[in-house]
Amino acid sequence: DAGVIQSPRHEVTEMGQEVTLRCKPISGHNSLFWYRQTMMRGLELLIYFNNNVPIDDSGMPEDRFSAKMPNASFSTLKIQPSEPRDSAVYFCASRTGTSPDTQYFGPGTRLTVL
Amino acid sequence: ILNVEQSPQSLHVQEGDSTNFTCSFPSSNFYALHWYRWETAKSPEALFVMTLNGDEKKKGRISATLNTKEGYSYLYIKGSQPEDSATYLCAPNSGGSNYKLTFGKGTLLTVNP
Repeated sequence: DAGVIQSPRHEVTEMGQEVTLRCKPISGHNSLFWYRQTMMRGLELLIYFNNNVPIDDSGMPEDRFSAKMPNASFSTLKIQPSEPRDSAVYFCASRTGTSPDTQYFGPGTRLTVL
Repeated sequence: ILNVEQSPQSLHVQEGDSTNFTCSFPSSNFYALHWYRWETAKSPEALFVMTLNGDEKKKGRISATLNTKEGYSYLYIKGSQPEDSATYLCAPNSGGSNYKLTFGKGTLLTVNP
């Protein structure tokens, strides 16, 4: 099993640019989570999908952030326009959907907005 | 926002020492508690999921206990090894939610050879 796959692993962009982060969950998992890790706030949930449907997006910081899950094997997190305060590590995690099951994390994308 | 506290924030031990750290969380609306191990430059790796008061889980030299009535969990490492060096995170499910985890800030463990 390849685990959760995220791309890119590192992204450096300039303020105002659009950034798209990608995630492929573990095959057979029907729940997907996007997290953001910062020094100040630790690991915080941005959005949760179940069976490709967004269930809880209360953690999405503002309208500049959007996430989609067009099918069971792919999700994107988009920031448009990006700002320096968006610099963080973004993790994707997936689980089978059977509570209280473990969430399996991807390697993360380290985003730097200059 | 769920208040999850982990202590100590950091810990240095010698190889072979046994150690333990604490996770405190609100006892109301408890659903489950997760422990993760997070090595630098890697992703969080699941250790345990615990649901019942009095639960004890073990994985090799690492074990954990759970007290849902008073809202705490202990993680123990017996005979620490340098490869145990990592940040250990606890995360209760938030407010009875079956999916939303609130992560503590973690305990950073450094094991010196």
